[in-house]
Amino acid sequence: GESVGLHLPTLSVQEGDNSIINCAYSNSASDYFIWYKQESGKGPQFIIDIRSNMDKRQGQRVTVLLNKTVKHLSLQIAATQPGDSAVYFCAERGDKIIFGKGTRLHILP
Amino acid sequence: DTAVSQTPKYLVTQMGNDKSIKCEQNLGHDTMYWYKQDSKKFLKIMFSYNNKELIINETVPNRFSPKSPDKAHLNLHINSLELGDSAVYFCASSQGNGLRTEAFFGQGTRLTVV
Repeated sequence: GESVGLHLPTLSVQEGDNSIINCAYSNSASDYFIWYKQESGKGPQFIIDIRSNMDKRQGQRVTVLLNKTVKHLSLQIAATQPGDSAVYFCAERGDKIIFGKGTRLHILP
Repeated sequence: DTAVSQTPKYLVTQMGNDKSIKCEQNLGHDTMYWYKQDSKKFLKIMFSYNNKELIINETVPNRFSPKSPDKAHLNLHINSLELGDSAVYFCASSQGNGLRTEAFFGQGTRLTVV
């Protein structure tokens, strides 16, 4: 069946460094992907999305890379800040949003 | 103003009870969802409604019954609660259910069955 998975359950990054969160998906027919951020006690919040006809999309301090050949997504956060501490989910959008397992980003002082 | 609001935020109840969680969105969206998040943070869709009609019903026990009185509301009723129902339940909404539409999530309802 369809699945969206993540390589690392927890990522610890020094404040100010760049963070890279990876995600693998299995449905090669997927053509739209979303990254969500979930802070403690809150619901998932949209960060950035990307369509399959793109391989890179940039937002404010965030960049999403898509490699359809190997069915891999990544989220890059520049100059990681304490407020970036959260669980990050990649998600695949079809008739429903299918979430991956999540990666917890921990910021070291 | 909160875009997607759920009540209650916390719910503690005994096994066997029946409970409801309410959800309202003021975004004017026509599609609403219920997701369940387990203790390992895994988010899984349960139901989706479009214009008050059920369009997605994942493999969920029939003790769970969603109801959408209008486009802005999607409530979730759970009968005969079991320990395994303990989780955080998220309501979400989107404009349409097509590809390339993001969903907006509520703050979640933490259900604890004891």
